[in-house]
Amino acid sequence: DTGVSQDPRHKITKRGQNVTFRCDPISEHNRLYWYRQTLGQGPEFLTYFQNEAQLEKSRLLSDRFSAERPKGSFSTLEIQRTEQGDSAMYLCASSMDSIAIYFGEGSWLTVV
Amino acid sequence: QKEVEQNSGPLSVPEGAIASLNCTYSDRGSQSFFWYRQYSGKSPELIMFIYSNGDKEDGRFTAQLNKASQYVSLLIRDSQPSDSATYLCAVNVDSSYKLIFGSGTRLLVRP
Repeated sequence: DTGVSQDPRHKITKRGQNVTFRCDPISEHNRLYWYRQTLGQGPEFLTYFQNEAQLEKSRLLSDRFSAERPKGSFSTLEIQRTEQGDSAMYLCASSMDSIAIYFGEGSWLTVV
Repeated sequence: QKEVEQNSGPLSVPEGAIASLNCTYSDRGSQSFFWYRQYSGKSPELIMFIYSNGDKEDGRFTAQLNKASQYVSLLIRDSQPSDSATYLCAVNVDSSYKLIFGSGTRLLVRP
């Protein structure tokens, strides 16, 4: 069990560019979550997958954001036409039909 | 009103003391409650979770839940400088197990 893995860990991009983050959940975990965290705040829920199905999306997830989990294993979060307000830590988490949700190390995004 | 509220702190305690961290929540349907520890620049780490009213102990940590008062707390006994971190309270609001987080309380343990 290697834990939730996220890549890249840090990304600096220019405003208007697209970025994509990848998440590999804990093996056999069927639930996968994306959260966003800004300085001084707790993580905010973005979206949730059970296996390959995206079951819920937050209002925070504007049309510029899209997430996929094509084979029910890894997931990607893409942000199109990035804005400075997108700068945050993007956290992936997973769980296996249980209450406990485990986070990855996060992907830091800085939009300049 | 925020769904999960925590005092931002910092809460400062001397080494060896008991640190008491508190959290209130607004949704009476909430069923499970979590405490995460987050070191600066790192991701949240699950410490413990509790479903039922009363206390749950794990080593130096005790979670306390009072559903009638919509209140959950975390006690850290024999606090160590390495416990200095932000502690996030989170609440599960439905069967998706989606968590709603508070903003966290910063704990400083003075040597």
